[in-house]
Amino acid sequence: AQSVTQLGSHVSVSEGALVLLRCNYSSSVPPYLFWYVQYPNQGLQLLLKYTSAATLVKGINGFEAEFKKSETSFHLTKPSAHMSDAAEYFCAVSRRLAAGNKLTFGGGTRVLVKP
Amino acid sequence: EAGVAQSPRYKIIEKRQSVAFWCNPISGHATLYWYQQILGQGPKLLIQFQNNGVVDDSQLPKDRFSAERLKGVDSTLKIQPAKLEDSAVYLCASSLSLAGGRETQYFGPGTRLLVL
Repeated sequence: AQSVTQLGSHVSVSEGALVLLRCNYSSSVPPYLFWYVQYPNQGLQLLLKYTSAATLVKGINGFEAEFKKSETSFHLTKPSAHMSDAAEYFCAVSRRLAAGNKLTFGGGTRVLVKP
Repeated sequence: EAGVAQSPRYKIIEKRQSVAFWCNPISGHATLYWYQQILGQGPKLLIQFQNNGVVDDSQLPKDRFSAERLKGVDSTLKIQPAKLEDSAVYLCASSLSLAGGRETQYFGPGTRLLVL
């Protein structure tokens, strides 16, 4: 079975500071990994995804994530936080099963950006 | 390109009542998903359709939840009767096809359900 653990349900950063959101996964086969962002009262929007090409993945809004197989991690970073980055972030793992394409989400990390 | 549409955006009902949610996926997307997102948690897959056939409904509480996707486009999710623990946001998503797990799922804005 696949699973995702996001360390820290809440993260507070100052505007201009580094944003680091941690994600560890469990999967018996090479995974596909995703980061989504959810703004208040909205659906989820894809930030980036890893599909077994380059291990460093660049996404929208200045975010990037690095796939580390040895650490089973896919941490999300942004060098300089902006007020508009305040949102909830979800890491997810996807695997093709015999009966479909299952996307399993972590519990989410809410980011607060302080001026 | 229009995104995934959902309605209503908000619904308040009393327990034991019934409720239905509607989803219109992105045009041309063969796969449609319904997720339940309880406050403070990540979304959990309830059911997945490929065209108008069910691919995975293993997490759907079939004694009270039902879903259909007639004609392989729009979909409806129903709860009857509703329980207090059904209070959540119900998200609909769609993707082009089952491309081995790497497909991006596109999400609608969700329907926020409150059961009193």
